[in-house]
Amino acid sequence: DQQVKQNSPSLSVQEGRISILNCDYTNSMFDYFLWYKKYPAEGPTFLISISSIKDKNEDGRFTVFLNKSAKHLSLHIVPSQPGDSAVYFCAASGWDNAGNMLTFGGGTRLMVKP
Amino acid sequence: ETGVTQSPTHLIKTRGQQVTLRCSSQSGHNTVSWYQQALGQGPQFIFQYYREEENGRGNFPPRFSGLQFPNYSSELNVNALELDDSALYLCASSPALAGLGEQFFGPGTRLTVL
Repeated sequence: DQQVKQNSPSLSVQEGRISILNCDYTNSMFDYFLWYKKYPAEGPTFLISISSIKDKNEDGRFTVFLNKSAKHLSLHIVPSQPGDSAVYFCAASGWDNAGNMLTFGGGTRLMVKP
Repeated sequence: ETGVTQSPTHLIKTRGQQVTLRCSSQSGHNTVSWYQQALGQGPQFIFQYYREEENGRGNFPPRFSGLQFPNYSSELNVNALELDDSALYLCASSPALAGLGEQFFGPGTRLTVL
């Protein structure tokens, strides 16, 4: 039972354009959501997060949108750069889980073409 | 500031053997979580340690066990290895149990079970 899903395994975008990565969740107890980026041979690194009391959080080129009623969040990268090419994971957390356990989606591989 | 480190980087074992993976948490972090990432999937939570005690566990059998030491470093032990245990094992540390969200990941240990 996948509680966090990323339905697009890959996404290809031209440099300078917008990248939109999507994530859906089923557990209504999740109240904190995060995006991680992963390069090959490295561990995931934190990118941006959003609390369930907000619907948008922005950090430079990265914006995360949360639609609680639809149990959907998205990550927007504008403008996309070749260095953004990586696997992106969305993750969710909530106090019904053990401590601050993260539940991850399956990841979306983003390729930004020069 | 030293980040999260893991050893070894790669490991090859045969079915039925036992393995110990090690993790040094980031300075000042007292919580360590372990994740299993199978090929093409997102990380799956194994368990978490907070101040040397297990604080939560995911859907993994008892042959997966762990320890946390007074310096907050940690070990993951897997007994009676199975072929499906082949995966990247990630360790993540965070500064506190309370406070949801960002965890700092190590580069992982790639375990291959033959």
